[in-house]
Amino acid sequence: GAVVSQHPSRVICKSGTSVKIECRSLDFQATTMFWYRQFPKQSLMLMATSNEGSKATYEQGVEKDKFLINHASLTLSTLTVTSAHPEDSSFYICSARATGDIRYGYTFGSGTRLTVV
Amino acid sequence: DAKTTQPNSMESNEEEPVHLPCNHSTISGTDYIHWYRQLPSQGPEYVIHGLTSNVNNRMASLAIAEDRKSSTLILHRATLRDAAVYYCILRDVSSGNTPLVFGKGTRLSVIA
Repeated sequence: GAVVSQHPSRVICKSGTSVKIECRSLDFQATTMFWYRQFPKQSLMLMATSNEGSKATYEQGVEKDKFLINHASLTLSTLTVTSAHPEDSSFYICSARATGDIRYGYTFGSGTRLTVV
Repeated sequence: DAKTTQPNSMESNEEEPVHLPCNHSTISGTDYIHWYRQLPSQGPEYVIHGLTSNVNNRMASLAIAEDRKSSTLILHRATLRDAAVYYCILRDVSSGNTPLVFGKGTRLSVIA
């Protein structure tokens, strides 16, 4: 089945530094990938839609200059948290689907737990 | 996408069947019913989906009411590894490659 690989699974960084999270579709091409954020005991919240070869689309309230998304190839999207602060500590998850057919499911990465100290 | 309502939490004994309900009274004729689950500290994973008929796969069964206003995810023998948050999501057939929108889901606890 379709596999999405997300790295790193866990990262601790100092406040003010930047962190890059990678999301790769291993056995399929994904023109679109999605980035979610999840705080403890809460549901997943969509942050942005990553489009291969074009600018990402951000949800309302998500700062595009803080959460930089790059989707330079059909198998790789990256999310960079710039100038991270403790309030950015969260569980970040990417997602993609092998085909645009609604009848098929989405595949998710295993998530990245970011802790900003 | 149409709204779904699920209980916040449920509890099951190990090796017992579990029936997770989902109400979707405003479902349209072209909405598919999808179920995903999220194990602790993991990304969500696809469980099953259906349109009108009941569906079975290796993970679970999906029972869809005749009027389609509700559905039930059935785990035939719960194991400790089934402890997760289960999300019921409606998706219109014309949604294309738009993102999934997650509600609060049902947190399933499995007791040994």
